[in-house]
Amino acid sequence: SAVISQKPSRDICQRGTSLTIQCQVDSQVTMMFWYRQQPGQSLTLIATANQGSEATYESGFVIDKFPISRPNLTFSTLTVSNMSPEDSSIYLCSVEVQNYGYTFGSGTRLTVV
Amino acid sequence: GEDVEQSLFLSVREGDSSVINCTYTDSSSTYLYWYKQEPGAGLQLLTYIFSNMDMKQDQRLTVLLNKKDKHLSLRIADTQTGDSAIYFCAETSGTYKYIFGTGTRLKVLA
Repeated sequence: SAVISQKPSRDICQRGTSLTIQCQVDSQVTMMFWYRQQPGQSLTLIATANQGSEATYESGFVIDKFPISRPNLTFSTLTVSNMSPEDSSIYLCSVEVQNYGYTFGSGTRLTVV
Repeated sequence: GEDVEQSLFLSVREGDSSVINCTYTDSSSTYLYWYKQEPGAGLQLLTYIFSNMDMKQDQRLTVLLNKKDKHLSLRIADTQTGDSAIYFCAETSGTYKYIFGTGTRLKVLA
């Protein structure tokens, strides 16, 4: 399966600031996915990022709050903008490997103070 | 909408078998997955089963699927302390969008 490197692994940020999370895959993939895992909860899909086009956001998530870049087939970034304590979560990127399923990065644990 | 439910906690003694259960509502589910999340880590795919199968065994892991009742289970034989983690089931009807359960926190007692 694909190997995903995600960074930073954790960060503590001041409210009102923004954080950009990077996701690097060791192989070319068409679609990359960004998930949020709020404390004690399951995973919620934020958006799907295709190379060369705008990301597709799920209900409840908007581009102004979570801008995504996908400059090539192995890399994507997710920015959490104008952060508030409610944004404290684990953010995970993921890719789907054919005949295997989703592979996830190790996640970015974000705490907003 | 689709929903996937799991019990929140399970505690077993080392060497015993663990059974983690999952129910789902989407009757068009095609693939069902089990993921493991260790503290501070991402999700690791453990195993998966196609909806036309009843059972799949992979070393210490056995997945049982009751499609009529929309019930999925993961049995871990000879549970070890290293199996302590949160286990998520997930389903998809074949699209990229997976629905994850709430996760079951497995605690293995020495």
